[in-house]
Amino acid sequence: EVQLVESGGGLVKPGGSLRLSCAASGFTFSNAWMSWVRQAPGKGLEWVGRIKSKTDGGTTDYAAPVKGRFTISRDDSKNTLYLQMNSLKTEDTAVYYCTTLYCSSTSCYLYYWGQGTLVTVSS
Amino acid sequence: SSELTQDPAVSVALGQTVRITCQGDSLRSYYASWYQQKPGQAPVLVIYGKNNRPSGIPDRFSGSSSGNTASLTITGAQAEDEADYYCNSRDSSGNPWVFGGGTKLTVL
Repeated sequence: EVQLVESGGGLVKPGGSLRLSCAASGFTFSNAWMSWVRQAPGKGLEWVGRIKSKTDGGTTDYAAPVKGRFTISRDDSKNTLYLQMNSLKTEDTAVYYCTTLYCSSTSCYLYYWGQGTLVTVSS
Repeated sequence: SSELTQDPAVSVALGQTVRITCQGDSLRSYYASWYQQKPGQAPVLVIYGKNNRPSGIPDRFSGSSSGNTASLTITGAQAEDEADYYCNSRDSSGNPWVFGGGTKLTVL
């Protein structure tokens, strides 16, 4: 059974930092592309960024609102995905979901989702 | 354009068929994927690619695409289908960044 378990959320002040983790099991994590998606309270889904598998280059891409502030990384030896969030703003308040990502030439889709972890940025 | 547009709310009578649409320029080149989200829960993938369902998704869910519009059809809607539905696609640059604003489905 595939499981994605996020942790590390909490309350942080504007300008602060936080690191989220996502522990993966039930599939070959090292072969998977992974992503983070967030959802502000009462709002829709917003893509945060993604990381390819190391065999596909291990490169990252980020949505414009978080580029330069957030960093996605992975530790394949621990089957864990990370999201380092710096210079946090109140508008970063959201539930953050870890997902698996599959892309072909004609589509991308998020197959498995974690349960999410809440990040609240407030003074 | 990197936007995907969905109707904010749609309703359907129990057992009837409903179509939820998603419009955007990127859909002329890329298929949409669709996600169901119930209150307090994480989203669940229901349709991906041309018209594929993950295991466990009932066959009353189907997907289609024409021009700049992707559609999610529920044939014989059930009470448990009441949820928010989001479409997602690559944007015009090929990055997987774009979500629609979501459609709240009410089953009457």
